[in-house]
Amino acid sequence: DAKTTQPNSMESNEEEPVHLPCNHSTISGTDYIHWYRQLPSQGPEYVIHGLTSNVNNRMASLAIAEDRKSSTLILHRATLRDAAVYYCILRDSGTASKLTFGTGTRLQVTL
Amino acid sequence: DADVTQTPRNRITKTGKRIMLECSQTKGHDRMYWYRQDPGLGLRLIYYSFDVKDINKGEISDGYSVSRQAQAKFSLSLESAIPNQTALYFCATSDFRGEGYTFGSGTRLTVV
Repeated sequence: DAKTTQPNSMESNEEEPVHLPCNHSTISGTDYIHWYRQLPSQGPEYVIHGLTSNVNNRMASLAIAEDRKSSTLILHRATLRDAAVYYCILRDSGTASKLTFGTGTRLQVTL
Repeated sequence: DADVTQTPRNRITKTGKRIMLECSQTKGHDRMYWYRQDPGLGLRLIYYSFDVKDINKGEISDGYSVSRQAQAKFSLSLESAIPNQTALYFCATSDFRGEGYTFGSGTRLTVV
């Protein structure tokens, strides 16, 4: 699986937007971009995924660069409950592919 | 009830003992996975199964074995536990496309 690069940590104020970056310069044409997050003392939780076009769901938005070599997870209004480790993962669309986790970005949200 | 249930939630065991961690799911998914997480690190894949008759090694399978008893059940065994297997263990499921994994709450295992 192709590798991703994320900042180790980020901080945000509550109720402000948060932009979590991810670089994946070696992405292949069949790789989907997945985001998961892990809240303290819990298992990872699916957030969003996409291939080429920007995606929105109730949790977040995913903005994918035109060349697909980077992406940004956008939390529109951070809350204290969004404090977690966010993982950006590339997954090949082939049927045998699995998720390979890196160390992610630890997001701190303050009042 | 949770979609993916892991038992036990916490376990302390002695070096050399055999221990089994269990996972059951109500998602109806064919694919199941076992991951391990060490402090400050991401998750690493131990074993995975794409259906009841399919078992595959992940990146860190040495010292572990698995059994897929049914579509809904996937257990992980440590044949002879050692202290460096102290970690947080997660079970997960996914659909056939490998999208939208659902994880259990984890089992915290301590080997003394």
